Amino acid sequence: DTAVSQTPKYLVTQMGNDKSIKCEQNLGHDTMYWYKQDSKKFLKIMFSYNNKELIINETVPNRFSPKSPDKAHLNLHINSLELGDSAVYFCASSQAGAPGYTFGSGTRLTVV
Amino acid sequence: QQPVQSPQAVILREGEDAVINCSSSKALYSVHWYRQKHGEAPVFLMILLKGGEQKGHEKISASFNEKKQQSSLYLTASQLSYSGTYFCGTDSGQNFVFGPGTRLSVLP
Repeated sequence: DTAVSQTPKYLVTQMGNDKSIKCEQNLGHDTMYWYKQDSKKFLKIMFSYNNKELIINETVPNRFSPKSPDKAHLNLHINSLELGDSAVYFCASSQAGAPGYTFGSGTRLTVV
Repeated sequence: QQPVQSPQAVILREGEDAVINCSSSKALYSVHWYRQKHGEAPVFLMILLKGGEQKGHEKISASFNEKKQQSSLYLTASQLSYSGTYFCGTDSGQNFVFGPGTRLSVLP
């Protein structure tokens, strides 16, 4: 009965590889997000989708491409991984009129 | 524009009180507070809306001064379980931005 689940939890990969992180929420929320948390713990918004439509696309390299097949899923694909991409990536969801974001447990990406 | 949080870190003994502040240079519609324990996801604590209301969650409460664009989180009689990093998130109507976090350590 996990509310926001993301997989995998850990991802170790070499520079130059392509990888994907998947996120699913069963809360019926209409908006989903990808956040990046760096080693200094800064939580930075990357993307936001509302009902499958991209509404926030911060200054993120175009190697990062989100995809939302339906409003319960938001995946993140990263091409040509670089060392600086190493971070914890959190998926989150929210519902208009209801306070707060619900975060997934995070994916720790390590690029070597 | 990222809000400013102070202090950056605080160490308490169990039972002591703490205040964490969050301020923004922009007019705000609301302020969120989250707690993140080590290795876990941030967890929503409460939201403060325009109107200066004060809210509570267990022995944790918060206030919001919309004129000063400031919010404060009050932790009273702290427990070991309060340890973690506390983030404020500010909604200016244009965007929602998290602060840099305040690391709280509660010692026995």
